[in-house]
Amino acid sequence: GAVVSQHPSWVICKSGTSVKIECRSLDFQATTMFWYRQFPKQSLMLMATSNEGSKATYEQGVEKDKFLINHASLTLSTLTVTSAHPEDSSFYICSARENPPAWVRTEAFFGQGTRLTVV
Amino acid sequence: AQKVTQAQTEISVVEKEDVTLDCVYETRDTTYYLFWYKQPPSGELVFLIRRNSFDEQNEISGRYSWNFQKSTSSFNFTITASQVVDSAVYFCALRDTDKLIFGTGTRLQVFP
Repeated sequence: GAVVSQHPSWVICKSGTSVKIECRSLDFQATTMFWYRQFPKQSLMLMATSNEGSKATYEQGVEKDKFLINHASLTLSTLTVTSAHPEDSSFYICSARENPPAWVRTEAFFGQGTRLTVV
Repeated sequence: AQKVTQAQTEISVVEKEDVTLDCVYETRDTTYYLFWYKQPPSGELVFLIRRNSFDEQNEISGRYSWNFQKSTSSFNFTITASQVVDSAVYFCALRDTDKLIFGTGTRLQVFP
């Protein structure tokens, strides 16, 4: 099946610094990528939908200036957590969907996730 | 509103027992997709199954089986003869146009 690679798998950073997380589709082109956040023992909550070449669409309550998303190519989307604080510590996971028309027959494929700890 | 409910927060079984994970969904769409994912302790999401709303046939894949009932808006997942490696959090999800809406998950612990 399709592979989505997320990097890094874990990161520890100091409060106030920025962290960039990469999401790559390895063997397919993804027009759309999704970023989720998962707090311990909770469900996955969609943060934003990232479309190649255009601005990301953020879910209600997600600060676009804090969580910067860049989808510069059909195989790469990045999420930058700016001025990270301890409450941003979470598991961030991306998913990617193949270009149309294939998307109607496929599910979104998920990266391995990134565990962010802000100290 | 689109919603997925997994009422069972945590289930514990002993190896070789059968276990059913419940999933109830709400949607106004006539065409929709339902999914099950497994999330082991390592964190990645493993796709298990996709079912579209027009296909109510039950599916069996090895020890896994799924029961889709539109009349009760349920998409339950059964593991037969559970094994320790089945221990994980299982998420049911509904595709809402372009997005996946996840249930809160059921943590399954299988003890030897």
